Amino acid sequence: RKEVEQDPGPFNVPEGATVAFNCTYSNSASQSFFWYRQDCRKEPKLLMSVYSSGNEDGRFTAQLNRASQYISLLIRDSKLSDSATYLCVVSYTGGFKTIFGAGTRLFVKA
Amino acid sequence: EAGVAQSPRYKIIEKRQSVAFWCNPISGHATLYWYQQILGQGPKLLIQFQNNGVVDDSQLPKDRFSAERLKGVDSTLKIQPAKLEDSAVYLCASSLNSVEETQYFGPGTRLLVL
Repeated sequence: RKEVEQDPGPFNVPEGATVAFNCTYSNSASQSFFWYRQDCRKEPKLLMSVYSSGNEDGRFTAQLNRASQYISLLIRDSKLSDSATYLCVVSYTGGFKTIFGAGTRLFVKA
Repeated sequence: EAGVAQSPRYKIIEKRQSVAFWCNPISGHATLYWYQQILGQGPKLLIQFQNNGVVDDSQLPKDRFSAERLKGVDSTLKIQPAKLEDSAVYLCASSLNSVEETQYFGPGTRLLVL
């Protein structure tokens, strides 16, 4: 089993739709969680950190469920510009380790 | 603020040749990472430095890959000799102090091994 797993997609959604991605992790010692966005042939960029209480940034909402060991990303009112690959990232300070998921591809169409 | 710089941006070599990549992190960032990203996959951590010390190189193929970060600033990653399966994008990232903080990525070096 991979340490961090994501549904690779692709998710094809129309503009204005709401879409949600999940990411599961296997190591319960994981301490920090992030969502990064990667556009085609570009480097990853931080979208948002994921906090235990959940957090929201405009149209994006991230949730953490430690009991079930998954994080989620919800995108409301999808825009064409949201088309990208969304990478789940899990880190644990004890081992100084960072693990990226394989990413979920999103296509938003007009 | 200047971002993470990497060079070269592209490199084409033949198998069994050697290649080196250079990274200059954001000024003041203590943590530096090298990732390998194969097409269709997420970035895989090869090595992580805290200042000029290695904190994780568990996934670095040490028989052919080496990396150093002299003086705790710039870093180089070397492959010697290269194999076909090394074809990938090599990403360098830096963060202020630890894995709990935002990682800022450079544009990457695209390596093609023929």
